[in-house]
Amino acid sequence: KQEVTQIPAALSVPEGENLVLNCSFTDSAIYNLQWFRQDPGKGLTSLLLIQSSQREQTSGRLNASLDKSSGRSTLYIAASQPGDSATYLCAVFLGAGNNRKLIWGLGTSLAVNP
Amino acid sequence: GAGVSQSPRYKVAKRGQDVALRCDPISGHVSLFWYQQALGQGPEFLTYFQNEAQLDKSGLPSDRFFAERPEGSVSTLKIQRTQQEDSAVYLCASSLGFGGSYEQYFGPGTRLTVT
Repeated sequence: KQEVTQIPAALSVPEGENLVLNCSFTDSAIYNLQWFRQDPGKGLTSLLLIQSSQREQTSGRLNASLDKSSGRSTLYIAASQPGDSATYLCAVFLGAGNNRKLIWGLGTSLAVNP
Repeated sequence: GAGVSQSPRYKVAKRGQDVALRCDPISGHVSLFWYQQALGQGPEFLTYFQNEAQLDKSGLPSDRFFAERPEGSVSTLKIQRTQQEDSAVYLCASSLGFGGSYEQYFGPGTRLTVT
């Protein structure tokens, strides 16, 4: 059974720091991996999607890498800002036929302090 | 364009009541997913539609849960005889297609509290 683990569970940093969030998964037979952001009381916002054949994706201050063979992904946030405070969730898309779905980690709760 | 919308945003139900949660996906999106997110947890897959066909309902926790998408657009998740353990945020997502290339777009969720 696929398991997705995110470390750390919570992180508090001063504004301006560069930081790394980690995601690991047990089954490397994935189609893609997505990083999401969730703000309190709001839905999920997709940040980056990395296809299984890709190594990384970048969007602004965000960079996500994928090492499928080792079952790891990292989300790098450069020059963090208070507006980055949110919960960051990692999810892998896997399965076969019609039974394909996203399997999620528990998230990393990030607080960026001004 | 408009994103995924869900209604109601909040629902309080007494134990034993039936509830219906609505999802309006992005226009033209073929795939629609329902997830359940308990407090402090990541989302858990419930069910998936491709157009009007429900292709995977393996995540529905019991036969009290029922989902439909009769015209391949709007979807309704119905929970019969609600129990306290049903309290969670129910998230709906849609995507243009089905497969590893397609990003899922999420609605704001419906927070269900069963008292």
